[in-house]
Amino acid sequence: GESVGLHLPTLSVQEGDNSIINCAYSNSASDYFIWYKQESGKGPQFIIDIRSNMDKRQGQRVTVLLNKTVKHLSLQIAATQPGDSAVYFCAENEGGATNKLIFGTGTLLAVQP
Amino acid sequence: NAGVMQNPRHLVRRRGQEARLRCSPMKGHSHVYWYRQLPEEGLKFMVYLQKENIIDESGMPKERFSAEFPKEGPSILRIQQVVRGDSAAYFCASSPGLVRGSYGYTFGSGTRLTVV
Repeated sequence: GESVGLHLPTLSVQEGDNSIINCAYSNSASDYFIWYKQESGKGPQFIIDIRSNMDKRQGQRVTVLLNKTVKHLSLQIAATQPGDSAVYFCAENEGGATNKLIFGTGTLLAVQP
Repeated sequence: NAGVMQNPRHLVRRRGQEARLRCSPMKGHSHVYWYRQLPEEGLKFMVYLQKENIIDESGMPKERFSAEFPKEGPSILRIQQVVRGDSAAYFCASSPGLVRGSYGYTFGSGTRLTVV
């Protein structure tokens, strides 16, 4: 079936460094992708999104890159801060009548002060 | 705007009991989605509802699970005769329509169901 493939790896970075979190997706029909941040005990929080007609989108301290050729997404966080510590998920949306999201397993980002 | 409200935050049920999870969407949102999250996994889509209609329940187990979104009141996810494997966090999201982007989906804080 369709899947966005992550198996909860952990990324440990020093405060102030840049972080890169990767994600592979498998559904070629997906045309919209989102990165979410989930802190312990909370729901997913929208970070940034990108449509399939783009390969890069920048927000405040975050950048998402999309490589459709190899079905790969990445999230770059500049100058990582302790408050960035959380689990990060990519999600894909193939549009259509339901607008449902397909989530990956997530990456735990641990920021060391 | 209070956001998407879910209650209870934590729910403990014995095997065989029923669990009722409630979700009040954001004001002005008429679309509700339910997702389930097992420990150290991503969220898995269960069901998508609009007022008084189930639009897509392709992720919902065929037995024991049901969902509704009445004309008045919150959306309810109901799990009958719970088993230990139902223990998970259940998240609700709402949207004003088939809208993408940061103003589309908004998630609640979830209900953590523990079956003992």
